[in-house]
Amino acid sequence: EMQLLESGGGLGQPGGSLRLSCAASAFSFSRYAMSWVRQAPGTGLKWISSISDAGDKTYYAESVQGRFTISRDNSKNILYLQMNGLRDDDTAVYFCAKGRLRSVFLYSVWGQGTTVAVSS
Amino acid sequence: DIQMTQSPSTLSASVGDRVTITCRASQNINNWLAWYRQKPGKGPELLIYRASTLETGVPLRFSGSGSGTEFTLTISSLQPDDFATYYCQYYSTSEATFGGGTKVDIK
Repeated sequence: EMQLLESGGGLGQPGGSLRLSCAASAFSFSRYAMSWVRQAPGTGLKWISSISDAGDKTYYAESVQGRFTISRDNSKNILYLQMNGLRDDDTAVYFCAKGRLRSVFLYSVWGQGTTVAVSS
Repeated sequence: DIQMTQSPSTLSASVGDRVTITCRASQNINNWLAWYRQKPGKGPELLIYRASTLETGVPLRFSGSGSGTEFTLTISSLQPDDFATYYCQYYSTSEATFGGGTKVDIK
């Protein structure tokens, strides 16, 4: 069964940094675009970043552009999200998601999420 | 930017009920619309894409319709597993935008 397992969440300080990881298993990771989607407490889903299968194209929502960096290691089947300049409104559950077939923005597999809390 | 609006935000129903959720786009999105189900504490699951195509393995009680700016998700006979929150999503080659969600709870 295809699986995604996020890790790296926790308590971050305003202005600080965190690095999220997403380990993929049971599918050919290098053949699919991957994304991060977050969900602030009690609210809906918000797309924040995507990366192409080869890692040569990246996409960001305006709210994280310039602060977050998405990357991937296809030899290890891991997706990353480097989060710098943390703000209170970055507090959320962060999900990684696999693109469906060739799509970057349609998601066929999701992880369980990792929680990020930003507070001083 | 395209905005996605779902209604209702909450819906109370019983097992066996027929349930319909609506999603409206702020402009024409053709049929680039997906539906997801999210159970508490879990990641979403893809139910339908291209407005009406059932994802592999999804039960036949789920169906989707619509095009342009108005879309619906119908559950023909609500099951215990279906008490959850449902999201529509516009997707293109450059962006993804989700609706605000519809929570289906037990009447």
